[in-house]
Amino acid sequence: DTGVSQNPRHKITKRGQNVTFRCDPISEHNRLYWYRQTLGQGPEFLTYFQNEAQLEKSRLLSDRFSAERPKGSFSTLEIQRTEQGDSAMYLCASSLATADTQYFGPGTRLTVL
Amino acid sequence: GDSVTQMEGPVTLSEEAFLTINCTYTATGYPSLFWYVQYPGEGLQLLLKATKADDKGSNKGFEATYRKETTSFHLEKGSVQVSDSAVYFCALSDRQTGRRALTFGSGTRLQVQP
Repeated sequence: DTGVSQNPRHKITKRGQNVTFRCDPISEHNRLYWYRQTLGQGPEFLTYFQNEAQLEKSRLLSDRFSAERPKGSFSTLEIQRTEQGDSAMYLCASSLATADTQYFGPGTRLTVL
Repeated sequence: GDSVTQMEGPVTLSEEAFLTINCTYTATGYPSLFWYVQYPGEGLQLLLKATKADDKGSNKGFEATYRKETTSFHLEKGSVQVSDSAVYFCALSDRQTGRRALTFGSGTRLQVQP
């Protein structure tokens, strides 16, 4: 399977704990996007990378959130000191920089108790 | 800023009925438009797209036409099947800034009954 993969698929944590999610994009894609989707809503943009450079962060991305994409391959999204409001589906997508179409992974569902 | 408005669901239809899901958008530039579909327990899949005015995107019997004059991109299908039951998201991509991050509508749930 050469699609976008995300791990873990589900994460349950207690408030105040740190969590880290991983995204592996389609191998030739140089752009990688993170989105957050809450129940009954459409995905909202969080941040994106072109190769290893993080080019934009949404105002939704508080200081407790950090994302990396070392060597321009996989990416990680870390949330520190989780809050119940962080409970959501975190989606990763990848694309070529010259293309409009983004391909999404299955998402990581985070539940903060 | 950019925004997408979709008709609220759920939309409940009988098999073989005609489907329309309305989508309108607001954009500062000249966006590309998309429909994504999310089946239960799965990620978002691109259904179709259009990149300029009067373009028609089509896939799996679904169609949508980019209407710049009415800023709309309504999704249609002539005869729905039970397997079309899913949540449908309209989205736009801002090509003017070059970042191409997607702005999504809130989604419309379609339920098709046998």
